[in-house]
Amino acid sequence: GDSVTQTEGQVALSEEDFLTIHCNYSASGYPTLFWYVQYPGEGPQLLFRASRDKEKGSSRGFEATYDKGTTSFHLRKASVQESDSAVYYCALRPFPSSFSKLVFGQGTSLSVVP
Amino acid sequence: GPKVLQIPSHQIIDMGQMVTLNCDPVSNHLYFYWYKQILGQQMEFLVNFYNGKVMEKSKLFKDQFSVERPDGSYFTLKIQPTALEDSAVYFCASSTTHSQNTLYFGAGTRLSVL
Repeated sequence: GDSVTQTEGQVALSEEDFLTIHCNYSASGYPTLFWYVQYPGEGPQLLFRASRDKEKGSSRGFEATYDKGTTSFHLRKASVQESDSAVYYCALRPFPSSFSKLVFGQGTSLSVVP
Repeated sequence: GPKVLQIPSHQIIDMGQMVTLNCDPVSNHLYFYWYKQILGQQMEFLVNFYNGKVMEKSKLFKDQFSVERPDGSYFTLKIQPTALEDSAVYFCASSTTHSQNTLYFGAGTRLSVL
């Protein structure tokens, strides 16, 4: 079945460090890929999505590029801030899909210290 | 942004009892979802619901589970009877339409079955 793998369970950085969270997926065709962010006490919220090979999604300084060749959608940010501390989820929606059933990765907990 | 509210945030019950988890979706949304996250694991799709009917469900949606949204009130997940393996965080989500639309998640209800 379809699956999403996030390599890092926890990441600890200092402010202004560069962030990479790895996401690889397994699915047929062209799934839609997502990054969600969950702040403490809140539900996951959409950061951005991408639907086609080589498409870049971005928001709030975060970005990821859909790479069908390596089946990856790695999250990057050039300079993290303490306010970026949260759990980040990579997810996919299979295509074709009649309904919004998402397949999530395990999540990566990011901690940024001043 | 739009908010999905889940009540209560934490529920503790004895194995074999019935429990109802409540979700107040975004007001103009038509599609509703439940996801389950066992501690340390990824969020997994349980069920989606539209126009009074279950449209799609996963293998995790056991016979003891049921969902409804009577008269446009709360969207509920009922488990009767509960089992120890039902202990998890349950996330409710809603969207305006299906397929390409963004899911908005609540903050989750942590269910502890003793």
